[in-house]
Amino acid sequence: DAGVIQSPRHEVTEMGQEVTLRCKPISGHNSLFWYRQTMMRGLELLIYFNNNVPIDDSGMPEDRFSAKMPNASFSTLKIQPSEPRDSAVYFCASSKQGPTEQYFGPGTRLTVT
Amino acid sequence: ELKVEQNPLFLSMQEGKNYTIYCNYSTTSDRLYWYRQDPGKSLESLFVLLSNGAVKQEGRLMASLDTKARLSTLHITAAVHDLSATYFCAVDISGNTPLVFGKGTRLSVIA
Repeated sequence: DAGVIQSPRHEVTEMGQEVTLRCKPISGHNSLFWYRQTMMRGLELLIYFNNNVPIDDSGMPEDRFSAKMPNASFSTLKIQPSEPRDSAVYFCASSKQGPTEQYFGPGTRLTVT
Repeated sequence: ELKVEQNPLFLSMQEGKNYTIYCNYSTTSDRLYWYRQDPGKSLESLFVLLSNGAVKQEGRLMASLDTKARLSTLHITAAVHDLSATYFCAVDISGNTPLVFGKGTRLSVIA
């Protein structure tokens, strides 16, 4: 099993640019989660999907953030425009529905200068 | 709102010593998970505890769950440097909602 796949692994961009992070969940998993991790705030849940439908996006920090899941094997997290305070590691995780652990991708380290 | 508290948040321990990390949570649940995160890496699932009294062991780590006390422990036996990492516990309320993570315990094992 390939595990959760994220791309890019590293992204450096200038303030004001659009950033798109990508995630491919594990095949057969129908829940997908986007997290952000920083030293100051720790691990934060941004949004999650069940069966490709966004269920709770209350963790999305601002309107500059948006996420989509057009099909069961792909999701994007977009930041437009990006700001330096968005610099963080963004993790995607997936799971089967029901009592089961989440599997995390390798993360995307985003640096906004 | 479910709250998950870990303590200690930082732990420096000598090689060969034993120690316990605690994870308390505020709402009834019988499903708890432990994860490990190495510096610069992702979170890796360590243990899945799905019932009261569940105990799992892997090498020098042992995790247990007491759902009545709403408490899980991660016990480290004869610590070695390779165990240095951040350990998270995460609680599952319903099986259809995201796990709620503790803040993590950063463990440093020193010679």
